[in-house]
Amino acid sequence: SQTIHQWPATLVQPVGSPLSLECTVEGTSNPNLYWYRQAAGRGLQLLFYSVGIGQISSEVPQNLSASRPQDRQFILSSKKLLLSDSGFYLCAWSRQGEAFFGQGTRLTVV
Amino acid sequence: QQQVKQSPQSLIVQKGGISIINCAYENTAFDYFPWYQQFPGKGPALLIAIRPDVSEKKEGRFTISFNKSAKQFSLHIMDSQPGDSATYFCAARSPGANNLFFGTGTRLTVIP
Repeated sequence: SQTIHQWPATLVQPVGSPLSLECTVEGTSNPNLYWYRQAAGRGLQLLFYSVGIGQISSEVPQNLSASRPQDRQFILSSKKLLLSDSGFYLCAWSRQGEAFFGQGTRLTVV
Repeated sequence: QQQVKQSPQSLIVQKGGISIINCAYENTAFDYFPWYQQFPGKGPALLIAIRPDVSEKKEGRFTISFNKSAKQFSLHIMDSQPGDSATYFCAARSPGANNLFFGTGTRLTVIP
């Protein structure tokens, strides 16, 4: 069966510090991978998606970047965090239209 | 532009009642309509999904009603329970697309 791992679960970072969130998928190959952000009480905002190694599409221009160094690894990064980067970040993979989400990372920028 | 419009934003239902959440879309190419359930601090999980060749799909207490001509679909939760309290997202996908378009979510509270 397929599983998705996302870590860390919570993170508190100062403004201006770097960020690296990692997501890995097991049990499938060549999945589509996604990063979403969810502000408190709000919907899901698609940030990046990837259909293969090294292939990244950005949906929203911002302070963040994504990379896919391996088939089942997706990384969300920032060189310098802003207060507005606070939120709940979700990694997901999809198969035939169904999306499967990780447990999320609660990022608080202070 | 919001591809999928969801309402209401929040909903309070008495235990045992029926919860109804509605979604509407414009893109007639959409061919897959899932609903996701999200508990606080957790990622959304697929609850139930429908394709436009059927008008209704039922799984336990959860039913999707689909109206292709009106471009609307809704989630009905029968005999709502406090454990159903969560945020619900509708979504839609077009063939060959790489991502789902999500509604803005409905926060459901079921009062004991």
